[in-house]
Amino acid sequence: KQEVTQIPAALSVPEGENLVLNCSFTDSAIYNLQWFRQDPGKGLTSLLLIQSSQREQTSGRLNASLDKSSGRSTLYIAASQPGDSATYLCAVSNDYKLSFGAGTTVTVRA
Amino acid sequence: ETGVTQTPRHLVMGMTNKKSLKCEQHLGHNAMYWYKQSAKKPLELMFVYSLEERVENNSVPSRFSPECPNSSHLFLHLHTLQPEDSALYLCASSQDQTEPAHGYTFGSGTRLTVV
Repeated sequence: KQEVTQIPAALSVPEGENLVLNCSFTDSAIYNLQWFRQDPGKGLTSLLLIQSSQREQTSGRLNASLDKSSGRSTLYIAASQPGDSATYLCAVSNDYKLSFGAGTTVTVRA
Repeated sequence: ETGVTQTPRHLVMGMTNKKSLKCEQHLGHNAMYWYKQSAKKPLELMFVYSLEERVENNSVPSRFSPECPNSSHLFLHLHTLQPEDSALYLCASSQDQTEPAHGYTFGSGTRLTVV
């Protein structure tokens, strides 16, 4: 069974600081990995999708890396803003399922 | 709004009520999913439908009954729920269940409170 772990569980930074969110998974035979953002009480918004053959994906201030062999992915958010405050979820697709971590809750202080 | 729409957004029901959650996608996807998100817990997969056939029931109690009348619509019928069933219920879709090359798209969820 795939186990997904996200560290840290919570993070508070001043505005402008770079964010580093970590995700690890136990079964490296993944199809792809997806990072989502969730605002309180809301649904999931897809941020980045990395196929198993890729090493990284970038979108604006967001960059996600994938090291499939070691079962790790990292989401980098550059120059954080208060609007980046949310919970970030890592999800891996394998065995015809999507497995989620518990998330990292980010607070960016103005 | 994403390509996946869920209604209602909020629902309060008594333990003896019967209600249904609705999910609709206009993305042309062939697979649809129900997830449950309880406080402080990771998302839990409940049901998977591929081409309108249920392919996974993740040990969900029978008081939750899914229905997929066509590839664009998914329902979750609820009856005699318990207070511990209070959670955010999320619907998702993907192009294909076996090879979700374009990832998953989620709806905004239904916040269910059982009283």
